[in-house]
Amino acid sequence: RKEVEQDPGPFNVPEGATVAFNCTYSNSASQSFFWYRQDCRKEPKLLMSVYSSGNEDGRFTAQLNRASQYISLLIRDSKLSDSATYLCVVNINTGGFKTIFGAGTRLFVKA
Amino acid sequence: GAVVSQHPSRVICKSGTSVKIECRSLDFQATTMFWYRQFPKQSLMLMATSNEGSKATYEQGVEKDKFLINHASLTLSTLTVTSAHPEDSSFYICSARRETYEQYFGPGTRLTVT
Repeated sequence: RKEVEQDPGPFNVPEGATVAFNCTYSNSASQSFFWYRQDCRKEPKLLMSVYSSGNEDGRFTAQLNRASQYISLLIRDSKLSDSATYLCVVNINTGGFKTIFGAGTRLFVKA
Repeated sequence: GAVVSQHPSRVICKSGTSVKIECRSLDFQATTMFWYRQFPKQSLMLMATSNEGSKATYEQGVEKDKFLINHASLTLSTLTVTSAHPEDSSFYICSARRETYEQYFGPGTRLTVT
């Protein structure tokens, strides 16, 4: 089982749709959580950190459920520019921090 | 967000030569930097963790004598691909980690070995 698993995708949605990305992690020593986006042939860019209380940034909402070891990202009113690969990232404390990237979920938003 | 630069952005070299890639954190000090490579349509693959002032920690299967990493200061890490071969052609990306554990990525270096 992979340490961080994401929906395989791709997701194809029309503009204005709401999209939900799911991510699960297996290591209970996981301590911090992030969502990144990566555009084709570009580097990943930090989208938002994820907290147990949930956090929102404009159209983006991230949630963390430590009991279920589950992280989500919700994009409301999706735009063409949201098309990218979304990466779930988990930091695990194994005596030193180790960062694990999910394989990513590709999103295509179409007009 | 923080700024991480990477140089060069693109390099083409002949088989057998060595290539050096620089990664700089421009607005914060990073005790830890990471080096990744990514093949087309594949996930990022961590190659090594670079700690300032100490030896890098390499992931399983990554040859430390082929991919030399130096983290000489809190703002600079370098990756040297020695005796490059066509199979080393890839997208190499560095990142720098803040105290709050977010990683910020450089724009990447596209290496083509002919």
